[in-house]
Amino acid sequence: DTEVTQTPKHLVMGMTNKKSLKCEQHMGHRAMYWYKQKAKKPPELMFVYSYEKLSINESVPSRFSPECPNSSLLNLHLHALQPEDSALYLCASSQDWGAYTEAFFGQGTRLTVV
Amino acid sequence: AQSVAQPEDQVNVAEGNPLTVKCTYSVSGNPYLFWYVQYPNRGLQFLLKYITGDNLVKGSYGFEAEFNKSQTSFHLKKPSALVSDSALYFCAVRGLDTDKLIFGTGTRLQVFP
Repeated sequence: DTEVTQTPKHLVMGMTNKKSLKCEQHMGHRAMYWYKQKAKKPPELMFVYSYEKLSINESVPSRFSPECPNSSLLNLHLHALQPEDSALYLCASSQDWGAYTEAFFGQGTRLTVV
Repeated sequence: AQSVAQPEDQVNVAEGNPLTVKCTYSVSGNPYLFWYVQYPNRGLQFLLKYITGDNLVKGSYGFEAEFNKSQTSFHLKKPSALVSDSALYFCAVRGLDTDKLIFGTGTRLQVFP
């Protein structure tokens, strides 16, 4: 199993809503990531979890709140988002924290904030 | 700080011809370099990586990449392009002491029949 599964695939939410994005992997990977990607742009790193602990927060606004309940799951809780937060949100995982390991990406959640 | 540059926004090539997608990097210490491909409305798929050893790295779908330390480049190549190779290609770098995978701006490859 070399898949990273993200749900939902599409999400439309109002600016006052609270929603969550979910990511799951069963490859035994110990590092998990959230990236944000705007159209025709490269993915931008948001958060990194290493061994279920938050290791990197790229100065992301607090309306985005990550959570790693266990080594297979990664959530991104969304609250009071702005229309400019509309983007493709990608989850990824890698075997370890090591620099040599490649990351495997999910298909993403297309988020639209109205 | 580490970075990668992809100097071409778009590369056009005829089916059956060889293709090259360029990438240059800047990193202190030994670089760990990756290529990913992204099809429309999809996540990124890993193609290949350079860690150490042979400068020519072979990857998925017939792609290969050549690491050149003196030119700080890691160009993606394929001997014979397919229409189905048309997609967005990202070069990425990770430094030894960081968990950050930093992406280039991407190159759109268009293969014409």
